[in-house]
Amino acid sequence: DTAVSQTPKYLVTQMGNDKSIKCEQNLGHDTMYWYKQDSKKFLKIMFSYNNKELIINETVPNRFSPKSPDKAHLNLHINSLELGDSAVYFCASSRDSNQPQHFGDGTRLSIL
Amino acid sequence: AQSVAQPEDQVNVAEGNPLTVKCTYSVSGNPYLFWYVQYPNRGLQFLLKYITGDNLVKGSYGFEAEFNKSQTSFHLKKPSALVSDSALYFCAVRGSSSASKIIFGSGTRLSIRP
Repeated sequence: DTAVSQTPKYLVTQMGNDKSIKCEQNLGHDTMYWYKQDSKKFLKIMFSYNNKELIINETVPNRFSPKSPDKAHLNLHINSLELGDSAVYFCASSRDSNQPQHFGDGTRLSIL
Repeated sequence: AQSVAQPEDQVNVAEGNPLTVKCTYSVSGNPYLFWYVQYPNRGLQFLLKYITGDNLVKGSYGFEAEFNKSQTSFHLKKPSALVSDSALYFCAVRGSSSASKIIFGSGTRLSIRP
């Protein structure tokens, strides 16, 4: 009965590859987010969706493309992976953008 | 522009003593303020929030925070620290306009020694 689940938990791949991270929430929330946490633990929002519509799109390279097939899912696809993409990526959800967020346990992406 | 600052990278406290983790913010209009805690290899967990109402907000695990509008601060406090409180703490702020997005502070590592 995990509230926000991300797969995979670990992702090790080579530079130049394309990969996807999946996120699902079973809380019935309308808003979902993707964050990047770097090695110094800085946390930065990348994208936010409300009812499957993109509402926040930070200055993220267009190699990153979120997709929300329905309200409960927000997946992140990354093309042409670079060394600097190595980080922990967190998915989160909330009832609306003013409410507390529930976070998944992260996907640790390592680029070789 | 919005900003949030956590001036201390690390706070060290003896078990049983009171603890304070500092946070100051800058935002247009009324702020929505949050504290989250992160344990190793886990996602952030919500502790407490301030939107309106009493300036003293009580949250999970015995934590509380005081909203101070004149000092634009929202410090996290606990009267008696536990070793299990050792973790990374994030303050976050969002403005009240619909276009505002949430911003997280740089995090403060809290270490409680037995």
